[in-house]
Amino acid sequence: AQTVTQSQPEMSVQEAETVTLSCTYDTSENNYYLFWYKQPPSRQMILVIRQEAYKQQNATENRFSVNFQKAAKSFSLKISDSQLGDTAMYFCLIHEQGAQKLVFGQGTRLTINP
Amino acid sequence: DSGVTQTPKHLITATGQRVTLRCSPRSGDLSVYWYQQSLDQGLQFLIQYYNGEERAKGNILERFSAQQFPDLHSELNLSSLELGDSALYFCASSEGSNTGELFFGEGSRLTVL
Repeated sequence: AQTVTQSQPEMSVQEAETVTLSCTYDTSENNYYLFWYKQPPSRQMILVIRQEAYKQQNATENRFSVNFQKAAKSFSLKISDSQLGDTAMYFCLIHEQGAQKLVFGQGTRLTINP
Repeated sequence: DSGVTQTPKHLITATGQRVTLRCSPRSGDLSVYWYQQSLDQGLQFLIQYYNGEERAKGNILERFSAQQFPDLHSELNLSSLELGDSALYFCASSEGSNTGELFFGEGSRLTVL
């Protein structure tokens, strides 16, 4: 079965620090996409970053980067120079090309403290 | 603005009632997904439609049903409502059936009293 595990229910760091959120997944597919979405208190779901499994290079979007380890089925999100606006729930998502279901992890509640 | 529109934004109803949630996907997107998010919970996948046809079904109760119309908008019908059905219901759309980014609506918050 397709599963996504986020082992850190909650994290808290000081503003400007770097924080890494972990995500591991299980899939039998070779072709898939991985995403990190954030859900701020407004509850809107916002895409943070995406990674195609066939690409070896780790994706980067400004202060956000991923460490994609395909063999280990690991997809962690690093937030550099964290800001108060980064406070949110963060969800990891796998989207297999073969299967049709999209499965989210349980989420990590990240709090950035001033 | 994601381009995905969900109505109503808020809905309060009583147990045993039936409600319909509506979703208009982003222009050009053929896939629509429905998710349920209970308080402080993750997102539970309910169902996916692609170009009018059901493509995948998740943990959707038999009391719930959905459809996607020829104009690609989708409706999620919830019947015989129970207190536990109170949740935020998200609709998301994507261009294809199994690739790419999901664009989320703002959700419909259902409260069952």
